[in-house]
Amino acid sequence: DAGITQSPRHKVTETGTPVTLRCHQTENHRYMYWYRQDPGHGLRLIHYSYGVKDTDKGEVSDGYSVSRSKTEDFLLTLESATSSQTSVYFCAISDRVYSYSGNTIYFGEGSWLTVV
Amino acid sequence: DAKTTQPNSMESNEEEPVHLPCNHSTISGTDYIHWYRQLPSQGPEYVIHGLTSNVNNRMASLAIAEDRKSSTLILHRATLRDAAVYYCILTGREGGSEKLVFGKGTKLTVNP
Repeated sequence: DAGITQSPRHKVTETGTPVTLRCHQTENHRYMYWYRQDPGHGLRLIHYSYGVKDTDKGEVSDGYSVSRSKTEDFLLTLESATSSQTSVYFCAISDRVYSYSGNTIYFGEGSWLTVV
Repeated sequence: DAKTTQPNSMESNEEEPVHLPCNHSTISGTDYIHWYRQLPSQGPEYVIHGLTSNVNNRMASLAIAEDRKSSTLILHRATLRDAAVYYCILTGREGGSEKLVFGKGTKLTVNP
């Protein structure tokens, strides 16, 4: 199994509070991703990173920010959590540009976030 | 984004082969076809991928149509542990960015 750790694994927070989810990898992979998964929508890309301090938006980036100050850590922040951000969040990593190689990406076990 | 179309659900019996279809009529010449599956309460896991030729690995086989507009994931002998949501995904480069976009997948039920 790829060395990906997500924390916290479960969290309940109140509307309007900031929340940070952490993804830590031990594989030294260059690319890291944050997805959210909701019933009826499947997996949707929030943000991704292609190197330290290099990030880009995915299809559902509104209300989220990310930071990557070290290769091994990719943080997802909800500045002011809303109930619509209740979801399961998955971190993923890959070591090469997959479009040129069909490279595999590896997923973490998920973080369950409930905003009440 | 290149789109894929999969049936919402399929059902199979244990120890029988399963053929999971995927249509991707807008695939470009450099897009890879990937399959991932997601077991309940877990993150997605890689199953197989290919570009043009059929592919086999210990988990499954991938049959790609000659025009690449469709593909089929083949589980040769389904087990109860194969019950999962299976995602067919095209990977490619769009607008200078690398993205991996998931559809809604096919929920596979395996009956004992």
